[in-house]
Amino acid sequence: DQQVKQNSPSLSVQEGRISILNCDYTNSMFDYFLWYKKYPAEGPTFLISISSIKDKNEDGRFTVFLNKSAKHLSLHIVPSQPGDSAVYFCAICSLNTGFQKLVFGTGTRLLVSP
Amino acid sequence: DTGVSQDPRHKITKRGQNVTFRCDPISEHNRLYWYRQTLGQGPEFLTYFQNEAQLEKSRLLSDRFSAERPKGSFSTLEIQRTEQGDSAMYLCASSLVLAGTSNTGELFFGEGSRLTVL
Repeated sequence: DQQVKQNSPSLSVQEGRISILNCDYTNSMFDYFLWYKKYPAEGPTFLISISSIKDKNEDGRFTVFLNKSAKHLSLHIVPSQPGDSAVYFCAICSLNTGFQKLVFGTGTRLLVSP
Repeated sequence: DTGVSQDPRHKITKRGQNVTFRCDPISEHNRLYWYRQTLGQGPEFLTYFQNEAQLEKSRLLSDRFSAERPKGSFSTLEIQRTEQGDSAMYLCASSLVLAGTSNTGELFFGEGSRLTVL
């Protein structure tokens, strides 16, 4: 039973445009949400996070939106750059568990073309 | 380099052999995690340590797997009698979690140890 779903395995965007990556989760007990980026042959790198008490968190070109009623979060990258090309994973956890057990989605491969 | 380091980066072994991976976390981090990633999947939680104590193990961690963090610093993950299904990327991560403070939930991952079982 997959608790975190990223239904788009890949996304292609032109440089300068907006990239929107989506993630759905099934269990409302999870209350902390993160996005990680992974380049080939490297480990995942933390990008941005949001807790369930917020519906938006912004960090430079990256914004995460959370819709708790729909159990949906999204990552917006504006403007997209070729260096953003990577696999993006959403991850969820419960504050009660102290973050030790992140549940990851299957990832979306983003390709930003010049 | 003060990030999480893992060794070896690649390991090819024959079925039935034992393998051991080592992880050196960021020095001041009190938590250390092991994850496994197979092709087309996201990382899956295996186990984690708070200092030297192993506090949780996933059901994915069969009795052929054992992890240690003897002095609360580096950790080893041993797989005995490897099977082809053990082929995966084994990721180590660390974090600093302090009680009573606001934590971001950020885990710092190493580059992983790729295991291929023939």
